[in-house]
Amino acid sequence: QKEVEQDPGPLSVPEGAIVSLNCTYSNSAFQYFMWYRQYSRKGPELLMYTYSSGNKEDGRFTAQVDKSSKYISLFIRDSQPSDSATYLCAMNPPGANSKLTFGKGITLSVRP
Amino acid sequence: DTAVSQTPKYLVTQMGNDKSIKCEQNLGHDTMYWYKQDSKKFLKIMFSYNNKELIINETVPNRFSPKSPDKAHLNLHINSLELGDSAVYFCASSQAPGLGGQFFGPGTRLTVL
Repeated sequence: QKEVEQDPGPLSVPEGAIVSLNCTYSNSAFQYFMWYRQYSRKGPELLMYTYSSGNKEDGRFTAQVDKSSKYISLFIRDSQPSDSATYLCAMNPPGANSKLTFGKGITLSVRP
Repeated sequence: DTAVSQTPKYLVTQMGNDKSIKCEQNLGHDTMYWYKQDSKKFLKIMFSYNNKELIINETVPNRFSPKSPDKAHLNLHINSLELGDSAVYFCASSQAPGLGGQFFGPGTRLTVL
């Protein structure tokens, strides 16, 4: 089993839809959880950063972490064509030598 | 102001050549990283430096040698380039090691012919 599994997609939704992106993980030591957005031919951009379980909201984006189920989600409300990108989940355990483990990414397309 | 910058953006070279990629961050971060993103878009860490000291060294061929002259710069030198080295290489930085929340550069697209 891979440490981090992410729905492979691709995902296509109409403008204005609510988008739900998900990752599951197997390493119970993971404490820090991130979502990155990567536009084509660009570097990943940090969208959301959460520590341990709970919800975090930033504008149209909400990140949710459920450590008991080893499941994280990113919700995008009122999706826009400019949200079309690849979304990667990432997580790491605490510790100076800990490594960020990424999901494979899901490509989202928001149709006008 | 660019937070994490890399040069060059594109690199096309022949097999067997030696090449370097440079990275600079102006965020005042202590920790810098090199990642490789393959054709399937999978991101994998290669190296990490904290305050000029190597702290993560993944299983990569020893043809790859990172160097950090100071905590704002991290370079990657690759000897005897092979076809399989073709990928996008990303530099990243974070405030401290192990906290996540890394900021990525724009990437260097390396093509080995």
